[in-house]
Amino acid sequence: AQTVTQSQPEMSVQEAETVTLSCTYDTSESNYYLFWYKQPPSRQMILVIRQEAYKQQNATENRFSVNFQKAAKSFSLKISDSQLGDTAMYFCAFMQGNNNDMRFGAGTRLTVKP
Amino acid sequence: ETGVTQSPTHLIKTRGQQVTLRCSSQSGHNTVSWYQQALGQGPQFIFQYYREEENGRGNFPPRFSGLQFPNYSSELNVNALELDDSALYLCASSPPGLAVLSTDTQYFGPGTRLTVL
Repeated sequence: AQTVTQSQPEMSVQEAETVTLSCTYDTSESNYYLFWYKQPPSRQMILVIRQEAYKQQNATENRFSVNFQKAAKSFSLKISDSQLGDTAMYFCAFMQGNNNDMRFGAGTRLTVKP
Repeated sequence: ETGVTQSPTHLIKTRGQQVTLRCSSQSGHNTVSWYQQALGQGPQFIFQYYREEENGRGNFPPRFSGLQFPNYSSELNVNALELDDSALYLCASSPPGLAVLSTDTQYFGPGTRLTVL
């Protein structure tokens, strides 16, 4: 069974600094997708970034980028120039290709301090 | 473009009752997935509907059931409510993929907070 582990329950960062959130996963499959979702206090789960396992290039979306290490089964999220609006729960998620069961980690609560 | 909407926002029920939660998918999306998110945890997959049929199910008992309508909106029904059913219920929709079972990004609604007393 696929599992997703986020080892950092809570993290904090100063505004304008950079922070990295960790995520590891376990799978025997080669075709899968990885996601980072953000859930602010408003509860709405918002897609931050997506990575296809077959792509070697790390995904980037503005201030958000990932470090995808397929052999190590690691998928960390780097947030550059942190903003107060980045304060939220961040969930790492895994979905096997041709499947529909998205597995989430337990989440990391990120606080951006002014 | 209208995003995923869910109703109601909050709901309080008592143990043993039945509840129906509703979800309208994002425009152009034909697949709807439901998740249960207990307090302090990540969401857990309940089931998915594609073209009005169940297209996969997580580890939830049969008292969790669903429907998808021709307009791709969906309902989640829970019978014989238990205290542990108290959670945030999230609906997510995804657009048509290249194949029936292709994986695509899921877009979430704001959720329904269910409290079972």
